Amino acid sequence: QVQLQQWGAGLLKPSETLSLTCAVYGGSFSGYYWSWIRQPPGKGLECIGDINHSGSTNYNPSLKSRVTISVDTSKNQFSLKLSSVTAADTAVYYCARGVTLDYYYMDVWGKGTTVTVSS
Amino acid sequence: EIVLTQSPGTLSLSPGERATLSCRASQSVSSSYLAWYQQKPGQAPRLLISGASSRATGIPDRFSGSGSGTDFTLTISRLEPEDFAVYYCQQYGSSPKYTFGQGTKLQIK
Repeated sequence: QVQLQQWGAGLLKPSETLSLTCAVYGGSFSGYYWSWIRQPPGKGLECIGDINHSGSTNYNPSLKSRVTISVDTSKNQFSLKLSSVTAADTAVYYCARGVTLDYYYMDVWGKGTTVTVSS
Repeated sequence: EIVLTQSPGTLSLSPGERATLSCRASQSVSSSYLAWYQQKPGQAPRLLISGASSRATGIPDRFSGSGSGTDFTLTISRLEPEDFAVYYCQQYGSSPKYTFGQGTKLQIK
């Protein structure tokens, strides 16, 4: 059974860089897209971007200038960096596995990391 | 960018009743690209339906999805206490790759 375990700093100051990592356990790393999604307090879900095992990325245009998603296939991990954070980046950040076969969906999710940006 | 609009925003029903949740897209969406998720407080979303109508592994058959083009529906035939949650539709597009609806909160009446 595939599990995603995520970690990273939970409290940042404005202008700092958010850094999160997600490890994939119990399944193949190739053949999927590995995504980051965030959810501000009391609000809906926003897709930040994703990466495949080859390192091909896709970013949400609204965040593209500040986002870097990378992959370490030797560790079955992928990471998110979001630069120049502000209070608007305060959210729960999730990693997830994206499937793009006959249907397109996210079937396995991490538990989420709460990130707060405050001076 | 395709925008997904879910209605109603909040739905108040009693256990045993039937729930009908709507997801409308601003442009036509391939059924293969439409998914539904359930989210309970403090938890990550859980996949319910992919391909507009295919139940994910372990999802009870009281959950069903339907629709095509711009109009999609999630139906819960008989509500159980554990079904009260927030439900999101999601579509796969080009940029951004995935977009979500704003959610429907299903609450106990």
